[in-house]
Order: sequence, then C-alpha cells, then structure tokens
Amino acid sequence: GAVVSQHPSRVICKSGTSVKIECRSLDFQATTMFWYRQFPKKSLMLMATSNEGSKATYEQGVEKDKFLINHASLTLSTLTVTSAHPEDSSFYICSAGSRRQGSGTQYFGPGTRLTVL
Amino acid sequence: SQQGEEDPQALSIQEGENATMNCSYKTSINNLQWYRQNSGRGLVHLILIRSNEREKHSGRLRVTLDTSKKSSSLLITASRAADTASYFCATDAQGNTPLVFGKGTRLSVIA
Repeated sequence: GAVVSQHPSRVICKSGTSVKIECRSLDFQATTMFWYRQFPKKSLMLMATSNEGSKATYEQGVEKDKFLINHASLTLSTLTVTSAHPEDSSFYICSAGSRRQGSGTQYFGPGTRLTVL
Repeated sequence: SQQGEEDPQALSIQEGENATMNCSYKTSINNLQWYRQNSGRGLVHLILIRSNEREKHSGRLRVTLDTSKKSSSLLITASRAADTASYFCATDAQGNTPLVFGKGTRLSVIA
C-alpha cells in the first residue's frame, strides 16, 4: 500500500521556538494532504487541508499565522508551528489521498509528537 | 467539528470474546472507515465501507453500515490481547475529503 512518512517522529522544544514537521508521500503523488491534531486520550481533529501549489484551507479556530502550511510539491507538505507554547503540545498527524489508489482511501503518517516546555 | 460518536467509549473484555463497537454520524457520507490506534502511535486503517454497501468482512473484522440510521458497527471476533487499542470511525463526505473522526472506543482485551 501507499506510504506516508513524517519527520520528526518526536520533538521537544522550548516555548517561543518554531518547529517544522514534514509529511511526505513516498510512492504516490498527493495533490491534497490533511493535517490533524490529537490531544491525549482524544480523537483527531482536522486542522487544515493542504493543497499543492495553493494556500491551505484552515478549519475554524485554527490560526493560520501560527500553523504555517506549505505544500511545495506533490510529495511534500510541511507544517510549521510558530512561537510554540506548551498548549501546542500534541500529536500531529498528516494524511494523503492517492488518486492512483482510487477515491476514499487515505494514508496516514505515523505522527509527530510535539512537546513544548 | 466531530461527526462520529462511538459507543461505548471504553470496553473491556476477555481474550476470545467478541467486541462490538458502534458509531453514529450526522450527515451524508461517501464512505465510512475504521481505524485502530495503539497508545501513542499512528493510525492503522482497518476497513472502508462505501455508502452503497451494507456489510464488509476482513479477517476477524466485520463492519456494517446502515445509512438510514446513520450508524456503523465494528465487530472483532475471537479477540486477542494484541487487539487492545483505541478504535475510531471516520466519515468521508465525498471521497478523498478530510475525514471526520469520532471520539473513539478504548478496547482492552484481557488475557
């Protein structure tokens, strides 16, 4: 099946710093990728839809200036958490759909655990 | 906003028993998917059922979908300790659109 990778898998940073998370589709092209956030013992919440070559679409309540998304190519989307604070500590997961695999199936990355001290 | 609601929120069973989890949703869907997540890990896609399907099997998994009631169920037969995880349903409104996840069911299978 299709593979989506995320890097880093785990990051610890000081409050006020910025953290970049990469999401790559390894063996297929993804015109659209999705970014989710998951707090402990909670479900996944969609943050934004990342479109290759255009601006991301953010969900209500998600600050676009704080969570910068760039989808520079068909295989890479990045999420940058700017000026991170402890409340941004969470599990961030990306997913991508493959046109080759047909509609409906999305492939999730393994997630990035962010801890802000 | 979350659409799916799983029931129960937590389930504890003995190894070998069957586990049934239910999911309800609110709006029209193209498909519904079930995922498993081990603690602190990523999601594992289990099964996808389309809106025109009523039942689907995959190994020890059986998924049903009732679009008239906007509900789905996941049955895991002959459970194993390794099945211990959180299970989420997720709905896809149009096919390859953002998934809307339910709150999840935490399943504990006791050996």
